[in-house]
Amino acid sequence: GAGVSQSPRYKVAKRGQDVALRCDPISGHVSLFWYQQALGQGPEFLTYFQNEAQLDKSGLPSDRFFAERPEGSVSTLKIQRTQQEDSAVYLCASSRPRGGPYEQYFGPGTRLTVT
Amino acid sequence: DAKTTQPNSMESNEEEPVHLPCNHSTISGTDYIHWYRQLPSQGPEYVIHGLTSNVNNRMASLAIAEDRKSSTLILHRATLRDAAVYYCILREAGNDMRFGAGTRLTVKP
Repeated sequence: GAGVSQSPRYKVAKRGQDVALRCDPISGHVSLFWYQQALGQGPEFLTYFQNEAQLDKSGLPSDRFFAERPEGSVSTLKIQRTQQEDSAVYLCASSRPRGGPYEQYFGPGTRLTVT
Repeated sequence: DAKTTQPNSMESNEEEPVHLPCNHSTISGTDYIHWYRQLPSQGPEYVIHGLTSNVNNRMASLAIAEDRKSSTLILHRATLRDAAVYYCILREAGNDMRFGAGTRLTVKP
């Protein structure tokens, strides 16, 4: 079956521009996660949704970062007024409901480069 | 989630077994031990997880110490496609995953 897809795969933005990154989770997965991965580092948690509810946004690095999942399926991570330190790979993952040790399925990521 | 310690890198020869260690001395009774791997230019991929008993699946085996303060991911016959960064993660059921730096595995032909 189809896995998690993300678009675009690559994005170059000038400093100060706004960007929107899309995630299509596996059909039926109610949990959705966003991670940020800097070069040479492991992924770092940004935020978590259960259906359309954003239950944890403790990892968002600043108020320039905003995520939504209005219908409980597709999610968008928006970064306003991008800065060079925002350059990273942004990963999306989905899983079955949060209440168990369910594995997360990751998309290929969006590589954001801010110039 | 409790912290894990892994070697930065390991090397293996193709067709030989690989044992990837992970120390987690502050593990709590409700923490599951998860392993993920990340191939170049891809998102992480689930490998295996366990709580107390050793686990086997088609990809690997997970050996968990009796005191649960350490675990070992075992790849029975390494192939070139197994070259990746392997992450050991402690995760309380339902909680978010916190990745460390992982172990970069190099497989030599």
